[in-house]
Amino acid sequence: NFMLTQPHSVSESPGKTVTISCTRSSGSIASNYVQWYRQRPGSAPSTVIYEDKKRPSGVPDRFSGSIDSSSNSASLTISGLKTEDEADYYCQSYDSTNHWVFGGGTKLTVL
Amino acid sequence: QVQLVESGGGVVQPGRSLRLSCAASGFTFRSYAMHWVRQAPGKGLEWVALISDDGSIKYYADSVKGRFTISRDNSKNTVYLQMYSLRPEDRGVYYCAPGFGSGAYYTDSWGQGTLVTVSS
Repeated sequence: NFMLTQPHSVSESPGKTVTISCTRSSGSIASNYVQWYRQRPGSAPSTVIYEDKKRPSGVPDRFSGSIDSSSNSASLTISGLKTEDEADYYCQSYDSTNHWVFGGGTKLTVL
Repeated sequence: QVQLVESGGGVVQPGRSLRLSCAASGFTFRSYAMHWVRQAPGKGLEWVALISDDGSIKYYADSVKGRFTISRDNSKNTVYLQMYSLRPEDRGVYYCAPGFGSGAYYTDSWGQGTLVTVSS
C-alpha cells in the first residue's frame, strides 16, 4: 500500500496564496484521483476538491487542485486567503481495493 | 440536499461492543456505496470500512478487520457499523459518507459524526 505525506503546518497572510502538497510514497499520483477535504475546528470535514481538480458546487474558485507526476504529488492552492480558510486540510486517494488513504493533514494558519 | 445523521456513540468499556448507525437522506441511498471514517481526538482522518451499494462487498482497514462489521439496510436508508472487542485506540468521532465516483473513491457529503469513547 502507499502513504500520502503532507506538511504538518503552513501559514500565510490574508490575501496571499498558499499551496499545500501531498506526496504519494509509491505508485503514480496520477493513477488514482486525489481529493482534498477541509476541516474547521470542531466541525466535520467538507470537500473542497475532488478528482484532482474539480470543485463541488459552493466552493469558491480561490480553491484549486493539481497533480505533478514529476514530484509524484498533488497540491491544493488557495488564493486570496481569508481568515475563514484557517483549518486542517487533508488529501485523500484510494488503492486498488477502494480503501481510502488519507494524508496526515496540514494545519493552515492565516495570520 | 444530502443529509447524514450518525448515532449510537457513547462510552463503553474495553472489550465491549457498540453499534453505530447512519441515517441518510437526500440522495438515492441504494445506489451508492457507503464509507465509515473515524478521527481520534486531535488526530487525522482514518478510513474504517466500505460497503457496496447492495451490501455484497465489504472492505475494512487492517486496524479493525475481524472486530468491526459494516452492514446496510436499503429499505431504511441506513448504514451500520457493529464494533466488537473495542480498544482504547478505537476512541474518536465516527463519520459516515457516501462514496461517489465509479469506485466510490470520494465523497462530497459528511455527517456530523458520533463520538465513541472506550474507557474503563
